[in-house]
This record gives sequence, C-alpha cells and structure tokens, in this order.
Amino acid sequence: DGGITQSPKYLFRKEGQNVTLSCEQNLNHDAMYWYRQDPGQGLRLIYYSQIVNDFQKGDIAEGYSVSREKKESFPLTVTSAQKNPTAFYLCASRPTSGAYSYNEQFFGPGTRLTVL
Amino acid sequence: QKEVEQNSGPLSVPEGAIASLNCTYSDRVSQSFFWYRQYSGKSPELIMSIYSNGDKEDGRFTAQLNKASQYVSLLIRDSQPSDSATYLCAVLIIQGAQKLVFGQGTRLTINP
Repeated sequence: DGGITQSPKYLFRKEGQNVTLSCEQNLNHDAMYWYRQDPGQGLRLIYYSQIVNDFQKGDIAEGYSVSREKKESFPLTVTSAQKNPTAFYLCASRPTSGAYSYNEQFFGPGTRLTVL
Repeated sequence: QKEVEQNSGPLSVPEGAIASLNCTYSDRVSQSFFWYRQYSGKSPELIMSIYSNGDKEDGRFTAQLNKASQYVSLLIRDSQPSDSATYLCAVLIIQGAQKLVFGQGTRLTINP
C-alpha cells in the first residue's frame, strides 16, 4: 500500500522544546516538501528537498531544520527558535524524473502541533 | 503581486448548481496547474491537473486553462453538499528546483 505517512497525528510541545515530525514515503518520489498551514490560511513552504542529502529553504525556514539522509524520509525539527509553532504541518512528495511537468504532488495526512 | 491568487470566498452555491472557482498566476512560463480539495482538518487531495490550454473534464469536474490570460478555473457541475470544502489552486514553478506555489484557497459551501 503506497503512500505518505506522517507521525504523530497530534503533537504537544512545551515552550523551549525541540520536536521532530516524521514524514515517510514509499512512492519512490525524489522530491519532498514541508508546508505549514495556519487556520484559514493557505500553505506556506518551509523546506524542500529534490534529492538525498540536499535540501533548500522555503519561504518560512527560520526556526526549522530538516535532513534528507534517505530517499524515503524527510523529518522536520521545530526548534525553540520558532516563536509561533502552533499550526498544521503537511509533508508532500512528487517525482521529478521523466516528464517533470506532469509529475503530480501528493500530501501526507498532516501533523497538528500545539504549543502548551 | 502574489504568484497565485484566488478569491478566498466564502462562495455559496445551491445544491445542483454549477460552482465556479477562479485562479490567476503571475509566472508566464508555468506549464502545470493543479486543483486540490481540502476538507476541514484534513490534508489537501489532488482532484485535477491541467497542462494545455482549453478544458479538461473528469466526471463532474472541469478544469479550464488560458495561458495567454494566465488564468485557470475549476467548474463543479451538479454541486453536492459533499463538495463543500476549500479548493486550492497550485502552479508548478521551476527556478532551478521544482516547487508548487499555492493560492490562499477558496472556501466553497454547497447549500442543500
């Protein structure tokens, strides 16, 4: 059963703590993305990775970090430097080989992070 | 100017009518366009993709693309209450890396 999984579904963080959100895909997609969504808002890109061991900052990377050691995995760490981390976090992946312009992007189910 | 713009709504349509959702984009070289549906509290679900000028139909959904006007739209025929959701327009931007840029989304409500 192919797809994108994110864990945990809900996460509570105390102020000053770092937390790591998991994202795994078995679709053999090269590119992976992390977005943040605030209530009633659109998606904002945090980080993205086109290949293993390489990643780029998106529009709102401050206070976040990522790694891409394996093709299947793209974990996101929300650090204590992120002042307002309460949001819905979405991971996505898409292929980049072949006719890239036709490659579709799919999302995981999301992690809802709340700062206590 | 935002790269992808949508009317945030809310858009209210009676059941059985046609819902029309619009999106404009600023990147003239964009070639790939997508519509996602997002139910409250859930992740976005891809419902349509379109790459060529004209119309593309899939069941009750029709995507329309006009690259000269930098405009893409989604029509939902015979609207059902289950169509009530936020619809996100996305455009593939290629600047070295490839990434989708999303509009803010249009909240659609179908009234029984």
